[in-house]
Amino acid sequence: SQTIHQWPATLVQPVGSPLSLECTVEGTSNPNLYWYRQAAGRGLQLLFYSVGIGQISSEVPQNLSASRPQDRQFILSSKKLLLSDSGFYLCAWVPGTGENTEAFFGQGTRLTVV
Amino acid sequence: GNSVTQMEGPVTLSEEAFLTINCTYTATGYPSLFWYVQYPGEGLQLLLKATKADDKGSNKGFEATYRKETTSFHLEKGSVQVSDSAVYFCAPFSGNTPLVFGKGTRLSVIA
Repeated sequence: SQTIHQWPATLVQPVGSPLSLECTVEGTSNPNLYWYRQAAGRGLQLLFYSVGIGQISSEVPQNLSASRPQDRQFILSSKKLLLSDSGFYLCAWVPGTGENTEAFFGQGTRLTVV
Repeated sequence: GNSVTQMEGPVTLSEEAFLTINCTYTATGYPSLFWYVQYPGEGLQLLLKATKADDKGSNKGFEATYRKETTSFHLEKGSVQVSDSAVYFCAPFSGNTPLVFGKGTRLSVIA
């Protein structure tokens, strides 16, 4: 069966510190991977998506970057966090087959920048 | 790319009331349509889906019908419960296009 792991679950970081959130998928190959951010009381904002190793598309230019060093690993990073980076970050994957199938989500990381 | 317009929340209902959350979309090609639910502090999980015109997705008493002519996928439930309190997201998906969501509708059901 397929599984998605996202960690850490919660994180409190000072302004100006770096960030690394990791997401890994099990039980599938060549998934399309996504990072979303959800600000308090707001909808889901697509940050990055990837259709393969080293292939990253950025939807919103901002203080974050993403990398996909392995087929089933997707990392969200920042060199210097801003207060506005606080939010709930979600990783998701869909099969990379081009079919219109459902997405599977991690449990999320709640990031508070102080 | 795809886009979604979802009715603004929050929606507050009494237990056993009828629920409708409107969703209209624009999409590339012939998308499948999904409703996801997010309970407090959790990620999203699939609630129901429909893959072609006139299909009705259903789960846990919720229903939505794929209306291609009106590009809509409205979510309904005849009698809501307190446990249905959550945020609901509508999403069209067309294969390798970016997966985008509506802004979400927060539902609060009071006893």
